[in-house]
Amino acid sequence: AQSVSQHNHHVILSEAASLELGCNYSYGGTVNLFWYVQYPGQHLQLLLKYFSGDPLVKGIKGFEAEFIKSKFSFNLRKPSVQWSDTAEYFCAVVDYKLSFGAGTTVTVRA
Amino acid sequence: DAGITQSPRYKITETGRQVTLMCHQTWSHSYMFWYRQDLGHGLRLIYYSAAADITDKGEVPDGYVVSRSKTENFPLTLESATRSQTSVYFCASSVLSGTYEQYFGPGTRLTVT
Repeated sequence: AQSVSQHNHHVILSEAASLELGCNYSYGGTVNLFWYVQYPGQHLQLLLKYFSGDPLVKGIKGFEAEFIKSKFSFNLRKPSVQWSDTAEYFCAVVDYKLSFGAGTTVTVRA
Repeated sequence: DAGITQSPRYKITETGRQVTLMCHQTWSHSYMFWYRQDLGHGLRLIYYSAAADITDKGEVPDGYVVSRSKTENFPLTLESATRSQTSVYFCASSVLSGTYEQYFGPGTRLTVT
């Protein structure tokens, strides 16, 4: 079974700071990778996804992620965060089902 | 409204009672999923269904029962609720499994006292 590891449990930063959230997965074969976001009181929404091709994937709201196969990683980045980016972020990997990481809570201070 | 809905949104029940969480989607997606979300564990798959009348266990199926008589509905039943089942439950659907995006419902917050 897949395992997904998210490096940070809680990240606190100020507006305009850069954000990088780490994600590593265990499976060595072909993978499909996702980042989901859950804003306070809302359901999960897809931020971005990687299936194949360019390893640098751009998603909604200025987020991007880089797939590095040799490192089994799919890290999420945003150059300049806003207060509205306060949310919980989940990395997920799929074989026949999605396997989620434990999540990273991001708090952006105004 | 189109989309995926869950009911109830909040539920408090007592240990030992049976409770059913409802999930309804209007997209005619083949696949439906039930997850529970607990602090420190992310989302864990309870059960999933590839089509009507086809269901299979996920990572944490014990204590739960599902059925899928119609494509659009995927109820989750806790046969005898325990405190360890206090959680937020999310239903999701997708066109196909594998590479396809899953769409999530708003969640049901269940408290077992």
